[in-house]
Amino acid sequence: NAGVTQTPKFQVLKTGQSMTLQCAQDMNHEYMSWYRQDPGMGLRLIHYSVGAGITDQGEVPNGYNVSRSTTEDFPLRLLSAAPSQTSVYFCASSYAGEKLFFGSGTQLSVL
Amino acid sequence: SQQGEEDPQALSIQEGENATMNCSYKTSINNLQWYRQNSGRGLVHLILIRSNEREKHSGRLRVTLDTSKKSSSLLITASRAADTASYFCATGLNKFYFGSGTKLNVKP
Repeated sequence: NAGVTQTPKFQVLKTGQSMTLQCAQDMNHEYMSWYRQDPGMGLRLIHYSVGAGITDQGEVPNGYNVSRSTTEDFPLRLLSAAPSQTSVYFCASSYAGEKLFFGSGTQLSVL
Repeated sequence: SQQGEEDPQALSIQEGENATMNCSYKTSINNLQWYRQNSGRGLVHLILIRSNEREKHSGRLRVTLDTSKKSSSLLITASRAADTASYFCATGLNKFYFGSGTKLNVKP
């Protein structure tokens, strides 16, 4: 039982490049979400999903796309990276909208 | 922020002392949760209190909830150096919103 697995752990991009952050969970959780955390700040919700085929926007969705084709996976896509997207990204999942289980994070730098 | 804020932003205490941090929120809630984040790591769930509960205990943790004031407090008793971390509250049903956290430093 691995919990929530995020890859990669570190990534450096150039402005305008695209990439996908991967998130997978093996707990059969319906709810999954993506957050970003800027230095010294709390977490801001980017996108979330309450089940396969269902996604919705959070507080800061611009510049990010998501899809949920399976219960296990919830990838986050940056279509055209910008320096403002430099941050640490966390994926989380939960059962019935309660206790969140977090991945270990992806540190992204956009030059 | 749609959530609110933790207070204080930073707290420094000696080992053995109690640490209290507060959380205010803006909307009606089903439950309120507290999380801990060690430097550079993912958040770890500490405790959940439901809207119909006023107080909950878990080991050295005590959480209170006042829905009339839209506020909660987290008390860590007999703190240890290992409690040094940032603490966040979160509310929401499908959208979970976090405050900016309280950075706790417990000096040995």
